[in-house]
Order: sequence, then structure tokens, then C-alpha cells
Amino acid sequence: AQSVTQLGSHVSVSEGALVLLRCNYSSSVPPYLFWYVQYPNQGLQLLLKYTSAATLVKGINGFEAEFKKSETSFHLTKPSAHMSDAAEYFCAVVPWAGNNRKLIWGLGTSLAVNP
Amino acid sequence: SQTIHQWPATLVQPVGSPLSLECTVEGTSNPNLYWYRQAAGRGLQLLFYSIGIDQISSEVPQNLSASRPQDRQFILSSKKLLLSDSGFYLCAWSKVGFDTGELFFGEGSRLTVL
Repeated sequence: AQSVTQLGSHVSVSEGALVLLRCNYSSSVPPYLFWYVQYPNQGLQLLLKYTSAATLVKGINGFEAEFKKSETSFHLTKPSAHMSDAAEYFCAVVPWAGNNRKLIWGLGTSLAVNP
Repeated sequence: SQTIHQWPATLVQPVGSPLSLECTVEGTSNPNLYWYRQAAGRGLQLLFYSIGIDQISSEVPQNLSASRPQDRQFILSSKKLLLSDSGFYLCAWSKVGFDTGELFFGEGSRLTVL
């Protein structure tokens, strides 16, 4: 079965430091990959997505993610953290093939940004 | 542009009482519609999804039901709430057809069952 693993349920960085949120997926075929962000008490918002085009994907708010097939990873990065980046981040996968195309979600990583 | 709204935003209900959460989408036709539940530390759990009026699939056997009386309206209901129904409920929509995984979420409804 397909699965998504987000390493680290909580990540804390200092303002201005690099943000790295890890996501690994299990799939025999390269899937579509997504990062969503959820600010406190709000719904989720799409941050960026990989759909088999460029392996380095740029999203909103300065975030980017790189699809690495050999590592089955799709880690999210941002060069310099801002206080407003504090939120919950979810990695998700849609299998490229098959009849069941629904999203498979990671458990999320809570990002704290310290002043 | 498309918008999605769900209400109420916050709800406190006693055990055994009924539930109705409503979600509407504007600016698009025949969307796929979803209800998710988010519990602390457990990520997102897909409860129901619908590809059209009266076409609803249940993902998890539970105390809840969903209905889609109109194309852009999705309702989550329960006849008798349980303590375990507490959580943050999210409605979402996606474009019809091939599911690319791009979902648009509502603001969420926080349900506390006492």
C-alpha cells in the first residue's frame, strides 16, 4: 500500500535559519506529490506540487521542494525562516496509476519559528 | 473565482445529540467534494467523498453520514454524537475528472463533544 512518512512531528528553527521538512513516500511508480500548509485553526492551503515536470518545484511564500526518485523523497525547504511560517505542514501523494487516485497524507510536521 | 465555506466554525455538543455541518462551494460546477476529520497527532482522515449529487462514498465506518442535496452543497451529519467524534472537520473540493490531488479547503469546523 502507498504511504507517506514525514520525519519529525515537530521541528523548531530560529528566525532566519534554514527550514527543512522531510517527506518520504512509498510507491513503485512516481506519484504526484504535494505540500500543504495549515495555519492555526484554519483549513489547508496548497503550498506546492510535483506532477512529473521539473524535479525542483517552487511554491508560495519562498518554499520549494525537490523530487528525488532514487531516494523516494520530496523534502520541503526554505532558505530563511520567518515568524509567519509557523504552521502545520502536510506532505501528500496521489498515486500516478491505478483506480484509487485519492490523496494519501502524511501525519504532518508542526513548524515552530523562534525569534 | 471559486470559494468554499463551511459552518458553523465552532460547535460544542453533548453526547447523544445530533450534528449537522454544512459546506458550500461557489464559482464552479460539479466539483468533487470531501469531508475530512483532523484529530490531534493523527493527521487527516478522509471520511466521505462525492463525485456528484447522491454519489457519496464512505471511507471509514463510523457514526457519521454525508449527503449532497445540491451540486455544490455537502452536509455532514450524525444522529447521535459520541465523544470520539470530537475533532476539526474540514470540507474540501477539487475539480471534476482526474483527481490530481489539488484540493481547496474550507476554514474548518471545530466540534467538541462533551
